[in-house]
Amino acid sequence: KQEVTQIPAALSVPEGENLVLNCSFTDSAIYNLQWFRQDPGKGLTSLLLIQSSQREQTSGRLNASLDKSSGRSTLYIAASQPGDSATYLCALLGNTPLVFGKGTRLSVIA
Amino acid sequence: DTGVSQDPRHKITKRGQNVTFRCDPISEHNRLYWYRQTLGQGPEFLTYFQNEAQLEKSRLLSDRFSAERPKGSFSTLEIQRTEQGDSAMYLCASSHSWTSRETQYFGPGTRLLVL
Repeated sequence: KQEVTQIPAALSVPEGENLVLNCSFTDSAIYNLQWFRQDPGKGLTSLLLIQSSQREQTSGRLNASLDKSSGRSTLYIAASQPGDSATYLCALLGNTPLVFGKGTRLSVIA
Repeated sequence: DTGVSQDPRHKITKRGQNVTFRCDPISEHNRLYWYRQTLGQGPEFLTYFQNEAQLEKSRLLSDRFSAERPKGSFSTLEIQRTEQGDSAMYLCASSHSWTSRETQYFGPGTRLLVL
């Protein structure tokens, strides 16, 4: 059974800092790994998708990496802004539908 | 195309009542998913459809829960005899296919509170 862990559970940083969110998983037999953003009381917005054959994806100030052999992914956010404040969730697609971590709640302080 | 929509956005009900939620997926998507999310947790898979066929159900989906997707378009999720433990955000998502390139697009969710 796939288990997904996200560390830290919460993070508070001053505006402008670069930061890294971590995601680890137990089963490397995956199709892809996705990072989502969720604002309070809202649905999920897909940020980045890394296929199992890829090692990283970039979109603007976001960079996500995938290391299947170690069961780890990181989401790097450069030059953080208050508008980045949200919960970030990683999720894995394998032989079962998406399995999510509990998320990292990010607060960027102006 | 305006994305995945869900109705209602909020529902307050008394324990023991039945509730029904609706999800309208992105029109060209043949897969539709239901998830449940409680406070401080990630979404948990409930069930999914490919076209009108319900292909998988989670153990979380007790006998009080039923989902349908007639004609392979919109879907409904019904909870009978609601319990306080059913209080959660119910999320719907849709996608085009189950491949390594698949991205699921989520709706805004229906927040259920059972009193």
